Amino acid sequence: NAGVTQTPKFQVLKTGQSMTLQCAQDMNHNSMYWYRQDPGMGLRLIYYSASEGTTDKGEVPNGYNVSRLNKREFSLRLESAAPSQTSVYFCASRGTTSADTQYFGPGTRLTVL
Amino acid sequence: AQKITQTQPGMFVQEKEAVTLDCTYDTSDQSYGLFWYKQPSSGEMIFLIYQGSYDEQNATEGRYSLNFQKARKSANLVISASQLGDSAMYFCAMRDFTGGKLIFGQGTELSVKP
Repeated sequence: NAGVTQTPKFQVLKTGQSMTLQCAQDMNHNSMYWYRQDPGMGLRLIYYSASEGTTDKGEVPNGYNVSRLNKREFSLRLESAAPSQTSVYFCASRGTTSADTQYFGPGTRLTVL
Repeated sequence: AQKITQTQPGMFVQEKEAVTLDCTYDTSDQSYGLFWYKQPSSGEMIFLIYQGSYDEQNATEGRYSLNFQKARKSANLVISASQLGDSAMYFCAMRDFTGGKLIFGQGTELSVKP
């Protein structure tokens, strides 16, 4: 039982390059989330998917797109990376009861030069 | 808008002593959830404890307890008998029941001294 997995762990991009961050969960959770964490700050929500087939914007969606490929997988795409997107990206998933917490992946450390 | 405030950027505590990390929140919702996460230097986010807005008892999980004062809109984390391994960033978060997304505070860095 791996929980939430993310690939890659580290990535360096040049300004203007594109990439996709992958996330998968094996807990049969309906909801999945993408957050970013900038130095000295808490996490901020980029996009989320409350269930398979649906996605919604969070607090900081500009410059990102997402795909909920199936119940297990939720990817985050940067179409044209900018230095302001240098951050640590976390994926999370959550079950459906009121007390269900979000479980986080290990994070992807992205640097855009 | 919902907001979480953690006013202590850094805290020090002596090993084996108890420490309280402050968290206040702002919401107009009647139903909400409050969480604490630990982030060690390795970077992962570790769930510690949950408190529902309708829970009458304060939540406890081992050495962690949550001092929930609904009228004051505070949800302070109490760590008893601190250990060196408790040194980490601690984040308070509130769950938005629309979609279940979390709103995080800026965190408190706890250092445990031997």
